[in-house]
Amino acid sequence: EPEVTQTPSHQVTQMGQEVILRCVPISNHLYFYWYRQILGQKVEFLVSFYNNEISEKSEIFDDQFSVERPDGSNFTLKIRSTKLEDSAMYFCASKLAGGFSYNEQFFGPGTRLTVL
Amino acid sequence: GNSVTQMEGPVTLSEEAFLTINCTYTATGYPSLFWYVQYPGEGLQLLLKATKADDKGSNKGFEATYRKETTSFHLEKGSVQVSDSAVYFCALSDSNTGNQFYFGTGTSLTVIP
Repeated sequence: EPEVTQTPSHQVTQMGQEVILRCVPISNHLYFYWYRQILGQKVEFLVSFYNNEISEKSEIFDDQFSVERPDGSNFTLKIRSTKLEDSAMYFCASKLAGGFSYNEQFFGPGTRLTVL
Repeated sequence: GNSVTQMEGPVTLSEEAFLTINCTYTATGYPSLFWYVQYPGEGLQLLLKATKADDKGSNKGFEATYRKETTSFHLEKGSVQVSDSAVYFCALSDSNTGNQFYFGTGTSLTVIP
């Protein structure tokens, strides 16, 4: 069964460093998402991506964040200069198509980011 | 705005016990409602969903009914198994775009033999 994969499973970095979190969505999906969950808090939407551009983003997704689909399979989240408060589990998700009938999102296992 | 409030965990039950995990929501439109489950080391997997009021989603013995009058979508299972041990997330999807999901905090369930 096709699944969303994410690498690495755990990333440890120093404050101020850049990190890139990688995701491989399900191959025929068209919509891509990043969410994060700070320990003990809700899973929060960061950004959605369709047709090679951001379609929606939350207040959390400031200028320190960027997303890219560099090729036909990968979808990346870059944090330019990490802060302690960026420590969280980051989930990638993908969806087959738009519209009300296709609104199930498929999630990856997450990348745990620890900023020291 | 849209939000989901979910029962705090962790929850520990004996095998074959009855499970209820409460979920209530606030939504501006007519959302779809979901329960996702996360087993250790795995991603969030869709457990069940309901797209309109009074719909009942069901899967693997779990059920949840979309109650518009109480804005609730409580998850229930009549007899839990050890293999049901996981984290359960309630979520809603906005009716206008079906785009971003709004999640609860997740409820950790441990079932002991």
